[in-house]
Amino acid sequence: NAGVTQTPKFQVLKTGQSMTLQCAQDMNHNSMYWYRQDPGMGLRLIYYSASEGTTDKGEVPNGYNVSRLNKREFSLRLESAAPSQTSVYFCASSRLAHDSNQPQHFGDGTRLSIL
Amino acid sequence: GENVEQHPSTLSVQEGDSAVIKCTYSDSASNYFPWYKQELGKRPQLIIDIRSNVGEKKDQRIAVTLNKTAKHFSLHITETQPEDSAVYFCAARDVNTDKLIFGTGTRLQVFP
Repeated sequence: NAGVTQTPKFQVLKTGQSMTLQCAQDMNHNSMYWYRQDPGMGLRLIYYSASEGTTDKGEVPNGYNVSRLNKREFSLRLESAAPSQTSVYFCASSRLAHDSNQPQHFGDGTRLSIL
Repeated sequence: GENVEQHPSTLSVQEGDSAVIKCTYSDSASNYFPWYKQELGKRPQLIIDIRSNVGEKKDQRIAVTLNKTAKHFSLHITETQPEDSAVYFCAARDVNTDKLIFGTGTRLQVFP
């Protein structure tokens, strides 16, 4: 039981390049999330998926797209990377049950630098 | 929507002392308040959470208190140890969107 697995762990891109960050969970969770973490800003939600087949924008969605491929996998895509997207990206998942307030479990993060 | 403020941003204590981190939230309908600990270069990990039907919860040296009237909740760490050094995040569940809204974090340093 690996929990939440993110790939890659590190990546350097040039401005304008595209890439996809991968996330998979093996806890049979319904909900999955993508956050970015910048110094002094805490964790800010980019996109989330409440269940398979649905995605919704979070606090900072501009410049990103997501795909909920199946119940296990939730990918984040940068179509044209910009230096402002240099950050640490965390994927998280939770067992969503209405009003049950389940905690979120995080992956190890992807450290992305855009030059 | 929900807004969470966290104070202080940095906190330094001597080993064995207590540490208190405070958060306030804006939406009185919020009903779930987790705390996460993030060590340098690691993932955030849940350390304790509290639901709105209780006022206090304790787990060994860690406790969380919730004041729904004042809309604030606090993390208390007693008998601090150097391994408690980390960044701590509070969060509140936005009942309208079902999303967690995080505070900006508190960097706790425990000096031996």
